[in-house]
Amino acid sequence: SQTIHQWPATLVQPVGSPLSLECTVEGTSNPNLYWYRQAAGRGLQLLFYSVGIGQISSEVPQNLSASRPQDRQFILSSKKLLLSDSGFYLCAWSVPGLLYEQYFGPGTRLTVT
Amino acid sequence: AQTVTQSQPEMSVQEAETVTLSCTYDTSESDYYLFWYKQPPSRQMILVIRQEAYKQQNATENRFSVNFQKAAKSFSLKISDSQLGDAAMYFCAYRRPNDMRFGAGTRLTVKP
Repeated sequence: SQTIHQWPATLVQPVGSPLSLECTVEGTSNPNLYWYRQAAGRGLQLLFYSVGIGQISSEVPQNLSASRPQDRQFILSSKKLLLSDSGFYLCAWSVPGLLYEQYFGPGTRLTVT
Repeated sequence: AQTVTQSQPEMSVQEAETVTLSCTYDTSESDYYLFWYKQPPSRQMILVIRQEAYKQQNATENRFSVNFQKAAKSFSLKISDSQLGDAAMYFCAYRRPNDMRFGAGTRLTVKP
């Protein structure tokens, strides 16, 4: 069966520090991968999606970037964090080429101080 | 642009009763999928139910069912025999290629 992992679960970082959040998927090949951000009490905002290694599409211009160095690995990064980057970050995967559901990881709670 | 609207920020239901959460969406496409996700306090997003737009029959998963009105672009979730464990944020979502559009969510409280 497929499993999606995210780490760390919780992170507190000072303003101006770098960021690296990692997401990995097991049990499937060539998944579509997604990064979402959820502000407190709000819905999900798509940040990036990837349909293959090295292929990244950005939905919202921001202080963040994403990379997909391996088929089942998706990384969210920032060189210098802003206070507004605080939030709950969710990684998700889906079967490519189909309009089926997305499966979400447990999320990372990021607090920028 | 595809948008998803959940007009009920909060809903409350008595345990064992039935509650309906509303969702409307805007699209010009004919083939798409709709979903309801549940987000409990753990914040893990859990798929509750999905509906294929080409199917006229409403989807059902145990105590959860939908009322899909394609012409009206409406997709409501009915929870029967509500349980304390149903308390969570519920998100309606519209699936398009390469991403999913979510509504703002409805917080459901279940009273014992």
